[in-house]
Amino acid sequence: DIQLTQSPSFLSASVGDRVTITCRASQGISSYLAWYHQKPGKAPKLLIYGASTLQSGVPSRFSGRGSGTEFTLTISSLQPEDFATYYCQHLNSYPITFGQGTRLEIK
Amino acid sequence: EVQLVESGGDLVQPGGSLRLSCTASGFRISDYYMDWVRQTPGKGLEWVGRSRNKNKSYTTEVAASVKGRFTISRDDSKNSLYLEMNSLKTEDTAVYYCAGDPTGDWGGYFDHWGQGALVTVSS
Repeated sequence: DIQLTQSPSFLSASVGDRVTITCRASQGISSYLAWYHQKPGKAPKLLIYGASTLQSGVPSRFSGRGSGTEFTLTISSLQPEDFATYYCQHLNSYPITFGQGTRLEIK
Repeated sequence: EVQLVESGGDLVQPGGSLRLSCTASGFRISDYYMDWVRQTPGKGLEWVGRSRNKNKSYTTEVAASVKGRFTISRDDSKNSLYLEMNSLKTEDTAVYYCAGDPTGDWGGYFDHWGQGALVTVSS
């Protein structure tokens, strides 16, 4: 199985900050990576797919980069609604796996 | 408006069975691969399995942790996905989400999610 490891697991930041979350795959997954965020009690919401394609309706302050084994999600200027838990997910082979999550909290 | 609505979550004893349903509105699941993803309370996301669409003969994939116990099926005429769960274990306790993947077997992602159904396995 392909393991996805996110770093950091916890991030404290302020509104307006630029933050970057990293997702590392245990083997190459081309650009087959998606990013989601999830707020308490809600379903995950798709932000980025294909490593760098912004999902329709998602603000442009979100961006994704990477291929192979290392990927990043960057939020250019944090807004209050961005404080949530972020997950990466691959579909390069089965089983589909998710990263363990990065909890982004307000400083 | 696109919606996925799960139903059937309940409290069940270890060794018991349960069937979850997921009904879509606002889009046709026939165009999608449809999956189940679960989340243990306070923990991360775990993929459970998927149903491919008619183009791929409705074939399924399931995670090793549920293989032989869980079965995924769909009825495109009812725009619905199902998860049949047998021989339930306490570690199957989770919120179960249905999710839609518009692409397929490589590079897939989930652009539609349900609100989740809680399954509690306990004596």
